[in-house]
Amino acid sequence: SQTIHQWPATLVQPVGSPLSLECTVEGTSNPNLYWYRQAAGRGLQLLFYSVGIGQISSEVPQNLSASRPQDRQFILSSKKLLLSDSGFYLCAWSPRGPWGGYTFGSGTRLTVV
Amino acid sequence: ILNVEQSPQSLHVQEGDSTNFTCSFPSSNFYALHWYRWETAKSPEALFVMTLNGDEKKKGRISATLNTKEGYSYLYIKGSQPEDSATYLCAFATSGTYKYIFGTGTRLKVLA
Repeated sequence: SQTIHQWPATLVQPVGSPLSLECTVEGTSNPNLYWYRQAAGRGLQLLFYSVGIGQISSEVPQNLSASRPQDRQFILSSKKLLLSDSGFYLCAWSPRGPWGGYTFGSGTRLTVV
Repeated sequence: ILNVEQSPQSLHVQEGDSTNFTCSFPSSNFYALHWYRWETAKSPEALFVMTLNGDEKKKGRISATLNTKEGYSYLYIKGSQPEDSATYLCAFATSGTYKYIFGTGTRLKVLA
């Protein structure tokens, strides 16, 4: 069966520090991968999606970047965090398109102080 | 701009009450409508995948209906229990181009 792992679960980082969140998927190959963020009081916002190794699409301009170095690994990064980067980050995968729905990771609560 | 709206934003009901909430989405280029249940400190879990106008899906005490022509879906919970407390998200998938848009969710609190 397919599983998705996301870590860390919580993170408190000072402004200006770097960020690296990792997500890995098991039990499937060539998944579509996604990074979402939920800021306080807001809905889920798509940050990045990837349909294959090295293929990254960005939905919104921001202080973050994403990489997919391996088929089942998706990394969210920042060189210098801003206060506005605080939020709940979710990784998700879907087989090809999202039409069958997503499977989400357990999320990372990031607080930038 | 594609917009998916959910109402109400939050809801408090007593244990045993039945309740329902709404997801509104664009009626054009419809491909699928998904419902998720999102408990605090956990990841969203898929409840229903709905693709046809008039679809009705049921899982235990939770059911959902779909009207693609007018662009809405209802989620019903019969006899709410405290364990039903969660945020319920809908997500709209368009045909043709890749777009998958989440609503802002309805936060349900069931009081014992």
